[in-house]
Amino acid sequence: TQLLEQSPQFLSIQEGKNLTVYCNSSSVFSSLQWYRQEPGEGPVLLVTVVTGGEVKKLKRLTFQFGDARKDSSLHITAAQPGDTGLYLCAGYSGGGADGLTFGKGTHLIIQP
Amino acid sequence: DTEVTQTPKHLVMGMTNKKSLKCEQHMGHRAMYWYKQKAKKPPELMFVYSYEKLSINESVPSRFSPECPNSSLLNLHLHALQPEDSALYLCASSQGLLGLLSYNEQFFGPGTRLTVL
Repeated sequence: TQLLEQSPQFLSIQEGKNLTVYCNSSSVFSSLQWYRQEPGEGPVLLVTVVTGGEVKKLKRLTFQFGDARKDSSLHITAAQPGDTGLYLCAGYSGGGADGLTFGKGTHLIIQP
Repeated sequence: DTEVTQTPKHLVMGMTNKKSLKCEQHMGHRAMYWYKQKAKKPPELMFVYSYEKLSINESVPSRFSPECPNSSLLNLHLHALQPEDSALYLCASSQGLLGLLSYNEQFFGPGTRLTVL
């Protein structure tokens, strides 16, 4: 069974601070996706990383895929209250249509 | 258009009722998924349909019955549910080209909040 360990599970910080969320596994993934989810809504895809060492930026969010494709990180610069939500990493092992392996999620609260 | 739609948004049902959840996408995706999500937990995979055929059933009880009438539609038929089945039910889709895609990017619908009394 493949596992994705996501940390921290809960994070509450002041507006304007920087933060990093980590997603680690002992397994290799073909790709890793990051989602953001609001309460009562479905996850919204933020980014997909595919190549080992890949870095993608989405405004103040920076995503990195580890060289060995076993881990990933999400860094938020100058966090804003609108960044509040549940952040989920999800790994895909390859082989066609298959479910994603989700981390347990990071509940992020940005205080004004 | 990366939209997956789900109806209804909310559903309350008794343990003897029969109801259905519906999901639709018009992105030309050939793989569709049902996930179940309990509060403050990540989504858990239930079923995968690939090219309208059920390819994965994650040991889901038979009171949940999936159906894929065509490549754009996915249903989940519910019968004799238990209160512990109350959850957010999420539908997702991906391109699903078997063996040709290395990343299987999945797009989720807004979910149906199900309450079983």
